[in-house]
Amino acid sequence: EAQVTQNPRYLITVTGKKLTVTCSQNMNHEYMSWYRQDPGLGLRQIYYSMNVEVTDKGDVPEGYKVSRKEKRNFPLILESPSPNQTSLYFCASSKTLGTGGVEQYFGPGTRLTVT
Amino acid sequence: ILNVEQSPQSLHVQEGDSTNFTCSFPSSNFYALHWYRWETAKSPEALFVMTLNGDEKKKGRISATLNTKEGYSYLYIKGSQPEDSATYLCASVNFNKFYFGSGTKLNVKP
Repeated sequence: EAQVTQNPRYLITVTGKKLTVTCSQNMNHEYMSWYRQDPGLGLRQIYYSMNVEVTDKGDVPEGYKVSRKEKRNFPLILESPSPNQTSLYFCASSKTLGTGGVEQYFGPGTRLTVT
Repeated sequence: ILNVEQSPQSLHVQEGDSTNFTCSFPSSNFYALHWYRWETAKSPEALFVMTLNGDEKKKGRISATLNTKEGYSYLYIKGSQPEDSATYLCASVNFNKFYFGSGTKLNVKP
């Protein structure tokens, strides 16, 4: 089954404790992306990757890191989480954007709470 | 930061009503316009991806149009059903980045 998986689905952590949210897709997609969703705001792009070893900042990259060492995986790293990073996080993937006409597939989401 | 706006923020309609929402986006450096359907406790699912001015796409009772010159897209739902209740998101793609609007929340009453 074609899918995007994220782990963990729920996480409660404390300020400053490094954490990683994993994202994996089995569709051989080139483009992968991380978003956060906060009440009253639309999805905001954190980082994206056009292909292996190619990553770039989205709109809200501060406090996050990513890596793309393999095509299928795109982990999101919070080196020193803070309460303002409490949010619902989505990973998404698509075939290469090309002319932009390719839909994204979203993972199930990770609800993160930082106390 | 690119400003994508959706209106209305929320909409309550009766089963059988037809409805439409608007997505406005900057027309400069336009690449593509995406529509997603997002049900509570689920993930957003793609409805349409449009790239060309004048594009019209249809999936069952749902259709969308695109005007890239004036920077807007309409999503239409014909004969709304309770299962259409969801938040509808649009996103503009510019220079490989996605910019989402805050969504239109649709509630269809039986």
